[in-house]
Amino acid sequence: GENVEQHPSTLSVQEGDSAVIKCTYSDSASNYFPWYKQELGKRPQLIIDIRSNVGEKKDQRIAVTLNKTAKHFSLHITETQPEDSAVYFCAASRETSYDKVIFGPGTSLSVIP
Amino acid sequence: DGGITQSPKYLFRKEGQNVTLSCEQNLNHDAMYWYRQDPGQGLRLIYYSQIVNDFQKGDIAEGYSVSREKKESFPLTVTSAQKNPTAFYLCASSIMGTALRQPQHFGDGTRLSIL
Repeated sequence: GENVEQHPSTLSVQEGDSAVIKCTYSDSASNYFPWYKQELGKRPQLIIDIRSNVGEKKDQRIAVTLNKTAKHFSLHITETQPEDSAVYFCAASRETSYDKVIFGPGTSLSVIP
Repeated sequence: DGGITQSPKYLFRKEGQNVTLSCEQNLNHDAMYWYRQDPGQGLRLIYYSQIVNDFQKGDIAEGYSVSREKKESFPLTVTSAQKNPTAFYLCASSIMGTALRQPQHFGDGTRLSIL
């Protein structure tokens, strides 16, 4: 079946450094790629997304890049802060299909003050 | 304060027992979803509902049932047929009428364990 791989599973960075999380997907029909942040004990929150007709999208300290040919997409967080510590999930989906969202297994990011 | 409310936060199930997880939203969203979250795995779709009185199976619907009698409510029943129910269950919602049919808002989740 379709799947999404996500690496690394855990990541520790010093405050102020950058963090990069990478995902690979298998469904070539995927055209929408959201990222969710789940802080400990809290609900997942959609933090950024990218569509297949765009190669890069930025929102303040976070950015997402997409390489459709290679079926890779990545989340970049710059100038990390302790409040960035959370589990981050990527997903690949067909935008107009309710049941075609495939989530990655998550990356636990720790930002060390 | 708009959002999705899931209850209870923790739930324990005895052998052979059915249990129901509540999900209520006041966002006026049409679509609602139930996901299961296991350690080291991504979220997996159990059921989703586009509109009232309509719902569809997701990837892992066996042993679960849902109803959608009201727009605001989408309860999930974990039946005795679900042999491995221990997991974290997340309810989500999204607006219809746009091209985007993805979960946009999540509840705080219910953690279900077997006694």
